[in-house]
Amino acid sequence: AQSVTQPDARVTVSEGASLQLRCKYSYSGTPYLFWYVQYPRQGLQLLLKYYSGDPVVQGVNGFEAEFSKSNSSFHLRKASVHWSDSAVYFCVLSSSSGSWQLIFGSGTQLTVMP
Amino acid sequence: AQTIHQWPVAEIKAVGSPLSLGCTIKGKSSPNLYWYWQATGGTLQQLFYSITVGQVESVVQLNLSASRPKDDQFILSTEKLLLSHSGFYLCAWSTYSGNTLYFGEGSRLIVV
Repeated sequence: AQSVTQPDARVTVSEGASLQLRCKYSYSGTPYLFWYVQYPRQGLQLLLKYYSGDPVVQGVNGFEAEFSKSNSSFHLRKASVHWSDSAVYFCVLSSSSGSWQLIFGSGTQLTVMP
Repeated sequence: AQTIHQWPVAEIKAVGSPLSLGCTIKGKSSPNLYWYWQATGGTLQQLFYSITVGQVESVVQLNLSASRPKDDQFILSTEKLLLSHSGFYLCAWSTYSGNTLYFGEGSRLIVV
């Protein structure tokens, strides 16, 4: 069965600190993986996506994520966070067969302290 | 550029009353369209998807229905609201073969 686990419901970091948000997936086939961000009372915006190739993918606003097939992980990172990065981050899994049904993780609420 | 617009932005409705939420996509022909529901502080649950006009597939049963009357329009509705329908409803689109979703700003529903 397909699943996505974000083990950290809430993460708090200080502005300027580095960040890692964890994501583990379960899928027997070739996964398509995404990170989306949701700012308060808004829809979701795509940060980055991984289909194949280089396991480190770059996204918007300095975010990057690293795919690991051996660890079934797709962790999101940022070298230096800004207070405006405070939001909810969702890790998302799509099967290679199409986007008909994406599996969303439970989300991680990131709070950046000034 | 493609734009996606949802309406209304927010609604407060009584239990048992009808509901209609709308979504329009401009600048993209024949998109795949999706409805998602998000409980307060929760993750997203896919409700429906549509790959063409007049065809809608249900993913979960929540006493809701969806229709796609035009290529660029997706409607979510019910004749009788339940308290459990409260939450944030998000419409999204993708290309036919694409996995990337592009979301609207959402419609917040409070059922009292």
